[in-house]
Amino acid sequence: GAVVSQHPSRVICKSGTSVKIECRSLDFQATTMFWYRQFPKQSLMLMATSNEGSKATYEQGVEKDKFLINHASLTLSTLTVTSAHPEDSSFYICSAHVGNEKLFFGSGTQLSVL
Amino acid sequence: AQKITQTQPGMFVQEKEAVTLDCTYDTSDPSYGLFWYKQPSSGEMIFLIYQGSYDQQNATEGRYSLNFQKARKSANLVISASQLGDSAMYFCAMRDPGSGAGSYQLTFGKGTKLSVIP
Repeated sequence: GAVVSQHPSRVICKSGTSVKIECRSLDFQATTMFWYRQFPKQSLMLMATSNEGSKATYEQGVEKDKFLINHASLTLSTLTVTSAHPEDSSFYICSAHVGNEKLFFGSGTQLSVL
Repeated sequence: AQKITQTQPGMFVQEKEAVTLDCTYDTSDPSYGLFWYKQPSSGEMIFLIYQGSYDQQNATEGRYSLNFQKARKSANLVISASQLGDSAMYFCAMRDPGSGAGSYQLTFGKGTKLSVIP
């Protein structure tokens, strides 16, 4: 079945550095991918919609200059957390859809900013 | 605006018994899709089952079935013959095409933590 691969699964970084998270669709093409953020014991909140070949669409309240999204090919979207701060520590997870009924998620990235 | 409500923060079930996880939704669009995902402690989101708003029959996938009551706007997940490995967070989510460009984005409920007791 369709698989979405996300890397890295866990990253620890110093405050002020940038972190890149990759999301790949392994056996299908994804013109659209989605990035979610999940705080401990809370639900997933959509951050942005990543569109292949065009600018990402950000949800209200999400800083586009801080969370840079690039969707350069039909199988890869990247989320870069720029100048990370401790409050950016969270679980980030991407998803891609296959048709109308199947939406698959990556395995997620736990970001810890010291 | 669409909304998903999961009223059970936590549920316990005896191994081999069936359990129902509640989900109600609110949308003004006649066309929508409902999803259930399982999130174990590892964090991955595992797709369980899908129900389209125009589907005539309740969706089933192995031990998972969705009790879809459209008039009540409820989409409860039923897990039969619970197993220890079923212990996880369970999220109900809705895809609302009426939301525009991001029609495949999902709105999630707050989740229900299921614990299976041996």
